[in-house]
Amino acid sequence: AQSVAQPEDQVNVAEGNPLTVKCTYSVSGNPYLFWYVQYPNRGLQFLLKYITGDNLVKGSYGFEAEFNKSQTSFHLKKPSALVSDSALYFCAVRDQAGTALIFGKGTTLSVSS
Amino acid sequence: DTAVSQTPKYLVTQMGNDKSIKCEQNLGHDTMYWYKQDSKKFLKIMFSYNNKELIINETVPNRFSPKSPDKAHLNLHINSLELGDSAVYFCASSQAQKSTEAFFGQGTRLTVV
Repeated sequence: AQSVAQPEDQVNVAEGNPLTVKCTYSVSGNPYLFWYVQYPNRGLQFLLKYITGDNLVKGSYGFEAEFNKSQTSFHLKKPSALVSDSALYFCAVRDQAGTALIFGKGTTLSVSS
Repeated sequence: DTAVSQTPKYLVTQMGNDKSIKCEQNLGHDTMYWYKQDSKKFLKIMFSYNNKELIINETVPNRFSPKSPDKAHLNLHINSLELGDSAVYFCASSQAQKSTEAFFGQGTRLTVV
């Protein structure tokens, strides 16, 4: 069965520093991977996805993610964190039938000024 | 225009009551979903509909019944509400292809007292 794991419950970074939120995946077949962000009392907002092609995917708000097939990882990155990036981040994978997104448990990103 | 809208945003009700949450999408998508987010922020797929047909029905009590009158609407009816049903329920939609991201509504916070 398809699954994703987010090994960190929380990531703390200082404003202006680079940030990384980790995600590893387990899939049968080609992986379709996604990152979402959830701000307090809000719905999930799509950030970026990997389907095929370049391993470095660029998305919204300056975020990017690096797909690494050998390490089965899809880490979310940003070169310079903003306080406003503080939120809950979810990694997700399409299930094998392609009928739903399967989410990781989420990682809380806290950016301090 | 809100892409995926759900009503109500907040719902407080007593145990044993029956309630409904409505969801509408104006994106022309073929597939709609209901997700449950528990108090630990875990997101779990409940139902998936494609062109008004039920695709996924995860291990959800049969007190939960989705209804899709047309492609743009997927409502969630819950009978005999229990304390454990308290959660945030998210509606989402996407195109049918595996490569497409899902768009989420703002969520309905259900509190059963």
